[in-house]
Amino acid sequence: DARVTQTPRHKVTEMGQEVTMRCQPILGHNTVFWYRQTMMQGLELLAYFRNRAPLDDSGMPKDRFSAEMPDATLATLKIQPSEPRDSAVYFCASGPGETQYFGPGTRLLVL
Amino acid sequence: QKEVEQDPGPLSVPEGAIVSLNCTYSNSAFQYFMWYRQYSRKGPELLMYTYSSGNKEDGRFTAQVDKSSKYISLFIRDSQPSDSATYLCAMSRSGGSYIPTFGRGTSLIVHP
Repeated sequence: DARVTQTPRHKVTEMGQEVTMRCQPILGHNTVFWYRQTMMQGLELLAYFRNRAPLDDSGMPKDRFSAEMPDATLATLKIQPSEPRDSAVYFCASGPGETQYFGPGTRLLVL
Repeated sequence: QKEVEQDPGPLSVPEGAIVSLNCTYSNSAFQYFMWYRQYSRKGPELLMYTYSSGNKEDGRFTAQVDKSSKYISLFIRDSQPSDSATYLCAMSRSGGSYIPTFGRGTSLIVHP
């Protein structure tokens, strides 16, 4: 049963520290998405890759966030420096096209 | 006005009830319509997917799309306590973009 995996599942860090989240998409999926979910805003799209090329990162704060896909089995989302307002659940999703399969999420708390 | 509107609930129903969850949207270019179920502290899980208008049935779940009214629905028959979750609608345009727009989700509680 193929699944999207994400690490770490939980992260507590202090303001100003770098945070790196990793995602392994489902093999064969050509689209990868990063989302942030909060109670206030719901699901927000941060970045979108197709065939490893970044196509949309308009939802991402450029000064502190960056997203990459160094290869087809790994997507990363980095926050540097982190701030308390970044506390949220970060989801990675992959898909063969118009549908998406979500990972379990990384629950981030920035103190 | 948001592109996709969804009542956050919570919607509380007794076990066995028929549940109706709905979303409205404003963008007539949407062609793909999805429903996701999200249990507490889990990732969203794809439940139903339809293209364009019409109905689609899968077990106790029926997805309905009315493009003329820009309205989509998810019906759950014989609801169970295990159906208690947040249900998110999502939709996207055709043409290969595949970037979905999500509703905020409706919290459903099915009590025994």
